[in-house]
Amino acid sequence: KAGVTQTPRYLIKTRGQQVTLSCSPISGHRSVSWYQQTPGQGLQFLFEYFSETQRNKGNFPGRFSGRQFSNSRSEMNVSTLELGDSALYLCASNSAMNTEAFFGQGTRLTVV
Amino acid sequence: GESVGLHLPTLSVQEGDNSIINCAYSNSASDYFIWYKQESGKGPQFIIDIRSNMDKRQGQRVTVLLNKTVKHLSLQIAATQPGDSAVYFCAENRGQGGKLIFGQGTELSVKP
Repeated sequence: KAGVTQTPRYLIKTRGQQVTLSCSPISGHRSVSWYQQTPGQGLQFLFEYFSETQRNKGNFPGRFSGRQFSNSRSEMNVSTLELGDSALYLCASNSAMNTEAFFGQGTRLTVV
Repeated sequence: GESVGLHLPTLSVQEGDNSIINCAYSNSASDYFIWYKQESGKGPQFIIDIRSNMDKRQGQRVTVLLNKTVKHLSLQIAATQPGDSAVYFCAENRGQGGKLIFGQGTELSVKP
C-alpha cells in the first residue's frame, strides 16, 4: 500500500509569488490535514479536508488556502509569499476520526 | 498558537538504557494521544497511540503512560538503540476530526 505522497519535495520561491503544493493520501483515506513545521513554532495545524469540505482550520492568515478533490487528493496554496513562510509543509491522511495520521515526507519551501 | 507542552527539549542516553520522554497537555477534553518519531529529512512516523479510557499501552519496546489527573503523557523506550535517535513529538486530538495539536518535540540522542 503506497504511503502519503507529497510533491514537489523542494521549492524555492520569491517573496510575493504564490505556490501550490500537492498531497496524495493513502488509498481509501478521506481525511487530509496540512501542517507547517518551523524550528521556532514546531508543527502547526493549517487545515483539514474531508470529503472535499474543509472540516477544521488553524490560525493562519487567509493567504493559506486549500482544497480537496473527489479522489481525496489535496492541494494547498500560499499566495503573496513572505520570508516567514519558509518551512516544511507536511500532509497527513487519516482513515477515520481518532485514528493515527500518516504523514508524507513533506515539501520544503524556501522563500527568498 | 495551540500546543501541547514538552518538559525537555533534549535527552541524551547511553545505548541499552531506557529512555523516558514526557509531555504535558492542557485540554482535559482531549481523548486521543499519539507519539511520533521524526528523523532528519522525513515526515513524522507513528510510534504508538493511547485513548483517554486507558492509562497504559505497550508496543514493541515502547510504552505510553497517560495520567489524566495531572494531564501528563510519557513515552518509554526500552533498551534504547542508536536507530532511536530522532525528535519525538506527542500529539493530541481534541475530538476535532483529524486535527492534531503537537508538542514542541524532544530530541533524543543515543550514545553508543
